[in-house]
Amino acid sequence: GAVVSQHPSRVICKSGTSVKIECRSLDFQATTMFWYRQFPKQSLMLMATSNEGSKATYEQGVEKDKFLINHASLTLSTLTVTSAHPEDSSFYICSAREPSLGEDTQYFGPGTRLTVL
Amino acid sequence: EDQVTQSPEALRLQEGESSSLNCSYTVSGLRGLFWYRQDPGKGPEFLFTLYSAGEEKEKERLKATLTKKESFLHITAPKPEDSATYLCAVRANTNAGKSTFGDGTTLTVKP
Repeated sequence: GAVVSQHPSRVICKSGTSVKIECRSLDFQATTMFWYRQFPKQSLMLMATSNEGSKATYEQGVEKDKFLINHASLTLSTLTVTSAHPEDSSFYICSAREPSLGEDTQYFGPGTRLTVL
Repeated sequence: EDQVTQSPEALRLQEGESSSLNCSYTVSGLRGLFWYRQDPGKGPEFLFTLYSAGEEKEKERLKATLTKKESFLHITAPKPEDSATYLCAVRANTNAGKSTFGDGTTLTVKP
């Protein structure tokens, strides 16, 4: 199956700093990537849809200026949490769709655990 | 608005005790229904995609079925390593490519 990687897997930062999370599709080109946030024992909450070469589409309630998304190539999307605060601590997961298989399946990365002190 | 409801919220089984997980959905034109497995601290792992009512797919001890209103994930003779949270998601024909996820069923299989 398709492989999606995320880096870093875990990050701890001080309040007020910015953190960048990378999402890569390793063996396929992903025109569309998705960013999710997941709180403990809760399901995935879609934050934004990222299309290569265009601006991301954010879900209602997600601050565009706080969660910057860049999808610069067909294999890389980044999420930057700017001026992070403790309430931004969460598990962030990206996913990518592989249209070449003719399916609509999303393949997920392993996630990034962000802790803001 | 697309909706996905999974039940039960938690399920505890003895090893070898078969059971089913339910995923009820409402969607404006189903493009696909997806099942994922998620282990603690990990991203969801893809299991199945179902596209139309009557479709079934199997993988080892798991079998997914689909009707017009719900999907079942049948687990036959589960083993402790099947313990995980199972997520169901739907994608509509017209929603800009987004999938709607259920809250999941956390399965615990005791030896």
